[in-house]
Amino acid sequence: GAVVSQHPSRVICKSGTSVKIECRSLDFQATTMFWYRQFPKQSLMLMATSNEGSKATYEQGVEKDKFLINHASLTLSTLTVTSAHPEDSSFYICSAPTGRNYGYTFGSGTRLTVV
Amino acid sequence: AQKVTQAQTEISVVEKEDVTLDCVYETRDTTYYLFWYKQPPSGELVFLIRRNSFDEQNEISGRYSWNFQKSTSSFNFTITASQVVDSAVYFCALSEGYGGYQKVTFGTGTKLQVIP
Repeated sequence: GAVVSQHPSRVICKSGTSVKIECRSLDFQATTMFWYRQFPKQSLMLMATSNEGSKATYEQGVEKDKFLINHASLTLSTLTVTSAHPEDSSFYICSAPTGRNYGYTFGSGTRLTVV
Repeated sequence: AQKVTQAQTEISVVEKEDVTLDCVYETRDTTYYLFWYKQPPSGELVFLIRRNSFDEQNEISGRYSWNFQKSTSSFNFTITASQVVDSAVYFCALSEGYGGYQKVTFGTGTKLQVIP
């Protein structure tokens, strides 16, 4: 139980275009979703926290106008990378607290390549 | 502010050797959770363990064991009789507060390579 389905797993897009990443909680309600970014050989860095029905909270240094987060329902949170540039190429992963023994469940990640 | 330090960036061991991955954390909260995750090359995070700050009992799960010592703010992870399938990046992480809705701070990870 407590699965977060993340799509797409890989995406290649052209510079200047936008990409949407979806995270769905399949068997539980995710009132909160954390969005992380991981550059190659680096750790996961929290980008923002989204809460259902309210505006996301962004970490310092993360451009809210570039990384649009929408959490319109208890089972879906989306991250849209707008006007993507090659430096946005990274591994993006979402995570939701489940309230169960393991605390959080992670999506399988999205590897974004901007060319 | 919470911080997690994994001083070992890369470790190589020969199969069947034991290996310990170190984790030191900083927090001002008295209530917090510590985690270990495994990240294989495919990228997904595999949950290994969660420990709350009030439970210092060490835990063993098969070949895995964890040593939590609040006195030294450490939460070390030992793999006994390592196997090639253990090769991955391992992250130690910390979440402050109670209720499981707080953000998780990750260490920089330790890349473990088990050589056959």
